[in-house]
Amino acid sequence: DIVMTQSPLSLSVTPGEPASISCRSTHSLLHNGNHYLDWYLQKPGQSPQLLIYSVSHRASGVPDRFSGSASGTDFTLKINRVGADDVGVYYCMQSLQTPHTFGQGTKLEIK
Amino acid sequence: QVQLQESGPRLVRPSGTLSLICSVSGVSVTSSAYYWGWVRQPPGKGLEWVGSIFHSGSAYYNPSLRSRVSISGDTSKNHYSLKLNSVTAADTAVYYCARHVANRGSLDNWGQGTLVTVSS
Repeated sequence: DIVMTQSPLSLSVTPGEPASISCRSTHSLLHNGNHYLDWYLQKPGQSPQLLIYSVSHRASGVPDRFSGSASGTDFTLKINRVGADDVGVYYCMQSLQTPHTFGQGTKLEIK
Repeated sequence: QVQLQESGPRLVRPSGTLSLICSVSGVSVTSSAYYWGWVRQPPGKGLEWVGSIFHSGSAYYNPSLRSRVSISGDTSKNHYSLKLNSVTAADTAVYYCARHVANRGSLDNWGQGTLVTVSS
């Protein structure tokens, strides 16, 4: 199985400051020019929602404060200016191979 | 507007079978642009992919559950189902159904989730 490892597991950020979450894969997620790596946010009491797909493409309705990047098997989610609505748990997920696997999750809270 | 809605018993006895249905509206489960999955989340823990079914009817499962799990589709009712047998307390979780975008695997639409408790 492809193992996804996130860091940090928790993050406390001052409103308006940037935040960055890392996700490392044990295998390359590149196939036919696409990286099969997505980011999800699970807000408190809600279902997860797709934030970023294929490393760097924002899902519909996601503000441009969110961005994603990749370097080999290392992936990064960046939030430009953290706001109160960004609180929750962020997960990366690979969908290149089954079983699809998630990172452990990174809990973001506001200072 | 696409909607997914889980339904089924909320309480299952140990060694019994967990059965859930995901009712889909706003898109056909036969669309080749998507495939359909289940993800679960034990209380206070992270997300685990359970399995997915393609419009062809082929299904793929998490190896950790493979011998106990099956996913099937009913195109006439535009829904798909999850069955997990020989359940234990470790199977207690919120079960989400979610839609995968076929050409990239992303889960772009999720149900609200349903908590299934395994207890006597």
